Amino acid sequence: DAGVTQSPTHLIKTRGQQVTLRCSPISGHKSVSWYQQVLGQGPQFIFQYYEKEERGRGNFPDRFSARQFPNYSSELNVNALLLGDSALYLCASSLSPGGYTFGSGTRLTVV
Amino acid sequence: KQEVTQIPAALSVPEGENLVLNCSFTDSAIYNLQWFRQDPGKGLTSLLLIQSSQREQTSGRLNASLDKSSGRSTLYIAASQPGDSATYLCAVFWGYNKLIFGAGTRLAVHP
Repeated sequence: DAGVTQSPTHLIKTRGQQVTLRCSPISGHKSVSWYQQVLGQGPQFIFQYYEKEERGRGNFPDRFSARQFPNYSSELNVNALLLGDSALYLCASSLSPGGYTFGSGTRLTVV
Repeated sequence: KQEVTQIPAALSVPEGENLVLNCSFTDSAIYNLQWFRQDPGKGLTSLLLIQSSQREQTSGRLNASLDKSSGRSTLYIAASQPGDSATYLCAVFWGYNKLIFGAGTRLAVHP
């Protein structure tokens, strides 16, 4: 069975650009969450979606947005990129509350 | 405020030692607690999930305990091997919409 898949694995963007990251959850999982992990720190919660509705938002600016599609896949969008947005972006899916399975992440570098 | 703290931040041991990694959390009303492993630049691999009603979980050489009343969890690694070298992350789910992570313990096991 496929796990949580994320694309792309790496990308480099210039300050001010926009980026879209993609995530496909485990089959049957209706909840998708996004986390940002900067070097040397634990992941920080960005968004959770369940059944295509936003169920939670972390302390991130409005430049960050996300959506979930009818097939439960999800996209994370970041506008007006800053150098500080450079991080590993992780997607997780879950079948029930808690018990998360994470993808391999997308490494975003902003130059 | 709900916070998760991991001690020590880094640990270096010779192969074969038994290890204890510590995780403490504020607010004992947790839903569950999850331990993850992260290799450099990679995503998170779930090791053990402990429900709030459980005291411990075991998988191979790994054992995780939970003491809600004291706000603590420990991850015990028996007979450590160089392949155990990684960052170990503790994450708590308080039943809302997100995991809250500690900063991790970076483990190095040398031959």
